[in-house]
Amino acid sequence: GNSVTQMEGPVTLSEEAFLTINCTYTATGYPSLFWYVQYPGEGLQLLLKATKADDKGSNKGFEATYRKETTSFHLEKGSVQVSDSAVYFCALRPQNNDMRFGAGTRLTVKP
Amino acid sequence: GAGVSQSPSNKVTEKGKDVELRCDPISGHTALYWYRQRLGQGLEFLIYFQGNSAPDKSGLPSDRFSAERTGESVSTLTIQRTQQEDSAVYLCASRENRGQETQYFGPGTRLLVL
Repeated sequence: GNSVTQMEGPVTLSEEAFLTINCTYTATGYPSLFWYVQYPGEGLQLLLKATKADDKGSNKGFEATYRKETTSFHLEKGSVQVSDSAVYFCALRPQNNDMRFGAGTRLTVKP
Repeated sequence: GAGVSQSPSNKVTEKGKDVELRCDPISGHTALYWYRQRLGQGLEFLIYFQGNSAPDKSGLPSDRFSAERTGESVSTLTIQRTQQEDSAVYLCASRENRGQETQYFGPGTRLLVL
């Protein structure tokens, strides 16, 4: 079946630290991959996406590369800020339009 | 423009009562999704509407759950005879049309069943 497994949280980092949140997937065909973010008190919003192998999605200093060989889409940021504190969800959309989300990883960045 | 809106934002109910949750998608969006987010868990797909096609109900956890959508507008998710395990945040999302992948989420309805 189609599923997403992401790194369990919570993750606590100091400001300017390097962030990696791991995400691996299982899917048939060629899914699109996404990272969504949920800031405190707000709704989910798309952070970045990649639609085919070797594509790199990027936004707000975050990056993730679609790796078909390792079925991964790890989220990275070189220097996190307090304002990055949120819950991050990895997701995939198989070709039948039915999104699958990971459990979410809570990130807290301390000044 | 206006985003996806949901009402109520919070709902407290007693076990055994029925509840109805509402979602107003972004105008013109043909696809609409309902998800459930239990505390500490990931998003769980419930149901998907696409235009006038038959909805994909494969994620509904039991026959106590049902959803309707009028054309390409408002959707309501109904939970009958609520149970404590139904307590969760219920999220609605809409998407513009086939081939557009980005879903836009509403703020959710937090349901607490006592």
